[in-house]
Amino acid sequence: DAKTTQPNSMESNEEEPVHLPCNHSTISGTDYIHWYRQLPSQGPEYVIHGLTSNVNNRMASLAIAEDRKSSTLILHRATLRDAAVYYCILRAPGSSNTGKLIFGQGTTLQVKP
Amino acid sequence: DGGITQSPKYLFRKEGQNVTLSCEQNLNHDAMYWYRQDPGQGLRLIYYSQIVNDFQKGDIAEGYSVSREKKESFPLTVTSAQKNPTAFYLCASTSLAGGYNEQFFGPGTRLTVL
Repeated sequence: DAKTTQPNSMESNEEEPVHLPCNHSTISGTDYIHWYRQLPSQGPEYVIHGLTSNVNNRMASLAIAEDRKSSTLILHRATLRDAAVYYCILRAPGSSNTGKLIFGQGTTLQVKP
Repeated sequence: DGGITQSPKYLFRKEGQNVTLSCEQNLNHDAMYWYRQDPGQGLRLIYYSQIVNDFQKGDIAEGYSVSREKKESFPLTVTSAQKNPTAFYLCASTSLAGGYNEQFFGPGTRLTVL
């Protein structure tokens, strides 16, 4: 599985936008980019995923670079409840028959009131 | 409500004992997974199962065993052969039907070896 690189930690102020970067320079043409987040002492939850085009959902937006070697998760207005560890994960479509995810260490987001 | 349940939430074990962690899902998902998480680290895959009566080792299967006798259930046994079992254990499931399928996670079991 291709590797992702994320900053260990980031800080944000409440109600401000947050941009969480992820580098995946070895991504293959068919790898999907996934984001999950894990609140303290809970299991991870799905945030968003994309392949080539930017994606939006109720939780966040995903901006994917044109060469697909990096992506950015955007939280439009951070709240205290968004304080979590955010994981950027690549999963090849060939693993759709197993659904396996490979987690890195993620980015710990702190949100200040 | 549909979801994944794990029990117990906290588990204490003496050295040399086997313990079994429960994971049940009522989402009709095909695949189920067990992960281990150590403090400040990401999740590591222990075992996974795509179908009843079949399962595969993940990256850190040594000292663990699983069974998948029913679609809804995927219990994990931490054996005495696991040298450092104190960790947070997470169970997940997903559908393997066509299209993108996110993984749904349970609330986790925190295992402490005394």
